[in-house]
Amino acid sequence: GAGVSQSPSNKVTEKGKDVELRCDPISGHTALYWYRQRLGQGLEFLIYFQGNSAPDKSGLPSDRFSAERTGESVSTLTIQRTQQEDSAVYLCASSLSLGTAISEQYFGPGTRLTVT
Amino acid sequence: GEDVEQSLFLSVREGDSSVINCTYTDSSSTYLYWYKQEPGAGLQLLTYIFSNMDMKQDQRLTVLLNKKDKHLSLRIADTQTGDSAIYFCAERFGSRDDKIIFGKGTRLHILP
Repeated sequence: GAGVSQSPSNKVTEKGKDVELRCDPISGHTALYWYRQRLGQGLEFLIYFQGNSAPDKSGLPSDRFSAERTGESVSTLTIQRTQQEDSAVYLCASSLSLGTAISEQYFGPGTRLTVT
Repeated sequence: GEDVEQSLFLSVREGDSSVINCTYTDSSSTYLYWYKQEPGAGLQLLTYIFSNMDMKQDQRLTVLLNKKDKHLSLRIADTQTGDSAIYFCAERFGSRDDKIIFGKGTRLHILP
């Protein structure tokens, strides 16, 4: 299994609860990205990491959203006090970066979050 | 601002050519990409073009880049039913080497 993996694949939660989504990037990929895809809509950039640092957090929709990455590997996206509008598929992608020509992003299968 | 614009839907008859258009904002973009998302599957890189190129051809795919107008297009020749998917245009910002912004995607529907 050399691809990007995400867990859980599906998560149903009650409004107001916190959720944690996990992404395991491809080994050796230093750049990691989180996107949100609402039903029938396009990709919405949330945040990206270069190593363990997040140079750009501008896409996080509110302060209820946070993300961290450790060991230049696993990343978690945490949504506190979930709201129904948080329901979406959350996609993670990783890429080689800095010095790699095309910086192709490899996407995980996504976590489908449903807030009831 | 940082924005990549695409039309949301395109319907094409099987066998015809499909042309999906995209406009982007950053004149210093280094790479521009087309990603494909098939039903129930993840996004995958379809093709890309470096900003110093005007055109790139890869089998049935032709990418055209107009830097002056910041316009990118993807042409699929002899469109097949297997080409039904959402096609995302993406821009890699020249000033922020790892930041890639995606458009909202164009859903390509193939008519029999």
